[in-house]
Formats: sequence, structure tokens, C-alpha cells
Amino acid sequence: DIQMTQSPSSLSASVGDRVTITCQASQDISNYLNWYQQKPGKAPKLLIYDASNLETGVPSRFSGSGSGTDFTFTISSLQPEDIATYYCQQYDNLPPTFGQGTKLEIK
Amino acid sequence: EVQLVESGGGLVQPGGSLRLSCAASGFTFSSYEMNWVRQAPGKGLEWVSYISSSGSTIYYADSVKGRFTISRDNAKNSLYLQMNSLRAEDTAVYYCAREVGATQPTTFDYWGQGTLVTVSS
Repeated sequence: DIQMTQSPSSLSASVGDRVTITCQASQDISNYLNWYQQKPGKAPKLLIYDASNLETGVPSRFSGSGSGTDFTFTISSLQPEDIATYYCQQYDNLPPTFGQGTKLEIK
Repeated sequence: EVQLVESGGGLVQPGGSLRLSCAASGFTFSSYEMNWVRQAPGKGLEWVSYISSSGSTIYYADSVKGRFTISRDNAKNSLYLQMNSLRAEDTAVYYCAREVGATQPTTFDYWGQGTLVTVSS
């Protein structure tokens, strides 16, 4: 299975800050990577697909980049409603696998 | 509006069985592949199983292969997960998730609210 490693595991930032989360794949996955947001007690929500494409209806402060093994997820200006855990997920190979998650908190 | 509503979770003893259901609405269910994804308490996400729109192609995670069976009834707009020989490590919230559209699990664009399965004596 392809291992997905996110960093950091947790992050504390202030409203308005630029926040960056990285995700590294254990092998080349091209751009077959998605990002999900999960708020406490809720189901995950798709934010970014194919590494850099914003899902319909998702605010433009969210963005993704990268290809191969190294990927980045960015929130350009953190908002209070962005408090959540974020997961990357690869689908280059079966089974699809997720990173361990990055828990984002407000400072 | 796309809606996925899971049901059937509960407390079951190790070795027992449970059948989860997912009722779909707001889209043409028969045209979409579907998945089950689970999340153990306080843990991350784990893909469990995929079924194609017709039901002809199915995939499982190694951790559930031979014990779980995914199925669907397109006439009833419903997805199912039959879980047998349950183990403590199967304890999780189980989500049904719509597949964006592919011949294997790739991207999950809508998720249900989840149903909790607890395996304990």
C-alpha cells in the first residue's frame, strides 16, 4: 500500500494567517491526490481533487499544489470556520489511502 | 440535493454480524459507483470497499476481505455492507461515500453522516 505522511500532525494558527500542510507519498502518485476537511462530529468534505482543483462551492482561500510525491495544501487567510482536521488521500493505486490527518486549531 | 443516510450500526459481540444500509437521494443512484469508508474512534480514515454502478466490479480492503460484502439495489437507491466475523478492530463510524466516477475507488465527493459500529463483549 502507498503510505501518505502528513505534516504537521497538529497546527495552531491565528485568524488571517496563511496555513500550509504538506503530504508526502511513499511513491510517485502523479497528481492523483485529494484533500478533505473534517469538522468535529461531521463527515469529511472534499475540498481539492487531482492535487490542485477546487471542488465546486469551496472558498478560493483553499488551494493545493504538487505532483509526484510531494504535495501542499494551503489556506491563504485562516477563518474561524476552518477549524477542522484535514486529510490527504491518494488514488493512484489500490487501495486508496489517507494521510493520518492534520488537526488545525485557532491560536 | 445529494443525500446519503446510513443506518444499521450498533453494538455487536465479537464474531457477530451486522448489515449496514445507505439510502441515497438527490441524484441518479444507478449511475454512480459507491464506497464505504470507516473511521475508528479518534483515528483517521480507512477505505473499506467499492462497488461499480452496476454492481459488477467490487473491491475490498485487505482488512475486511472475506468477511465483508458490499452490494447495492439500484431499484431501491440503496447501498449495503454485510459485515460478518466482526472483530474489535472493526469498531468505527462507517460512512457511505459517492464515487466521482471511475472504474476503481478514487475521489469521494459526497458522504453520509455515518453510522457507528461497536464490536465488544
